[in-house]
Amino acid sequence: DIVLTQSPALAVSLGQRATISCKTNQNVDYYGNSYMHWYQQKPGQQPKLLIYLASNLASGIPARFSGRGSGTDFTLTIDPVEADDTATYYCQQSRNLPWTFGGGTKLELK
Amino acid sequence: QVQLKESGPGLMQPSETLSLTCTVSGFSLTSNGVGWVRQPLGKGLVWMGTIWAGGSTNYNSAVQSRLSISRDTSKSQVFLKMNSLQPEDTGTYYCARHEGDYTVAHFDYWGQGVMVTVSS
Repeated sequence: DIVLTQSPALAVSLGQRATISCKTNQNVDYYGNSYMHWYQQKPGQQPKLLIYLASNLASGIPARFSGRGSGTDFTLTIDPVEADDTATYYCQQSRNLPWTFGGGTKLELK
Repeated sequence: QVQLKESGPGLMQPSETLSLTCTVSGFSLTSNGVGWVRQPLGKGLVWMGTIWAGGSTNYNSAVQSRLSISRDTSKSQVFLKMNSLQPEDTGTYYCARHEGDYTVAHFDYWGQGVMVTVSS
């Protein structure tokens, strides 16, 4: 199985930039696409898709969110961070079965 | 608009068989795949399996021997059945829509989830 590793927590000040990383133990690129996706989950709610195929913004997601990376290293950036962004962020790979998620990064405000 | 809603029993006993239903609206099960994702309390997300628009299925090998996913397209419902439940199967079960096909496989819409507790 492909293992995705995320830092457990990140604290950022309002209005600053948050960079959340996701590293995989195998390459998730294939034929020009990076099969990495990002979700936001607030307490008591279902996950919400933010970014698909590493850098594509999902429908209705503000441009403050962006994703980049390839191969085994990916980042989700939120700039500027707003109070409503406090949540846990998960990466997910769909390069190989079984599709796997990272352990999540909890974003908190300083 | 696209909606998914899970339903099923909240409390199960060890060794029983879990049956969950995901009722969808706003799209057709013959156009998009639907997957099941489990989240133990306070922990991360685990993909369990998917039924595709054409009716084929993929399962996580960790639960494949115990899991079955099926559907009734006329009722817009997807079913999860998992046998031999254990306390470690406790968690919130989500159904979620795949935006694309197998080659893309991210989830663009999620249900609210149903909490399942396995305890004697």
